[in-house]
Amino acid sequence: EADIYQTPRYLVIGTGKKITLECSQTMGHDKMYWYQQDPGMELHLIHYSYGVNSTEKGDLSSESTVSRIRTEHFPLTLESARPSHTSQYLCASSEFSGALLAFFGQGTRLTVV
Amino acid sequence: LAKTTQPISMDSYEGQEVNITCSHNNIATNDYITWYQQFPSQGPRFIIQGYKTKVTNEVASLFIPADRKSSTLSLPRVSLSDTAVYYCLVGDMNGGANNLFFGTGTRLTVIP
Repeated sequence: EADIYQTPRYLVIGTGKKITLECSQTMGHDKMYWYQQDPGMELHLIHYSYGVNSTEKGDLSSESTVSRIRTEHFPLTLESARPSHTSQYLCASSEFSGALLAFFGQGTRLTVV
Repeated sequence: LAKTTQPISMDSYEGQEVNITCSHNNIATNDYITWYQQFPSQGPRFIIQGYKTKVTNEVASLFIPADRKSSTLSLPRVSLSDTAVYYCLVGDMNGGANNLFFGTGTRLTVIP
């Protein structure tokens, strides 16, 4: 089993609230990723990191922000949630030289009402 | 980044062998071929990876012809629990985040 954890698993929150989705891994992986996926649709890369203090935006524009202060932790924050942010958010990690061998968390299903 | 093409969906009866083919005509010398499985409401899970010829593990086999322009994921004797989306990824192991591009995948439905 992969040692990558996301919390919360489910979240229902009101419009305008600030939220942080947590992602932690205990494998010492340098690379971490956030994907957004709507039901039955493709995964879209929204953020990634190659190590501590490294963060980049992915292919899909997102109003969220991320930080990478510690190797094991890669939280995603929405300053002001909107109904359009309703989606599943998936966190993943991989070794620096293992770009195709990623481990995914269980995901956070976010609903903004 | 090599573009991949795979069928949108497939149906199979329980107990049959399922073969899902992925085309990657522009595969580069350093690229590996990796397959993932995703169940509803879960993150993708690594199944198998190969560079050439045949790779087999406890879950699946991966067949890669000599020209490496395609690959076939083979699932022996599928069960209902194999119903999932299967993704073919091609890229350099030392590549950037865009190597983890999942595309639309192949939605496999196993029928009783």
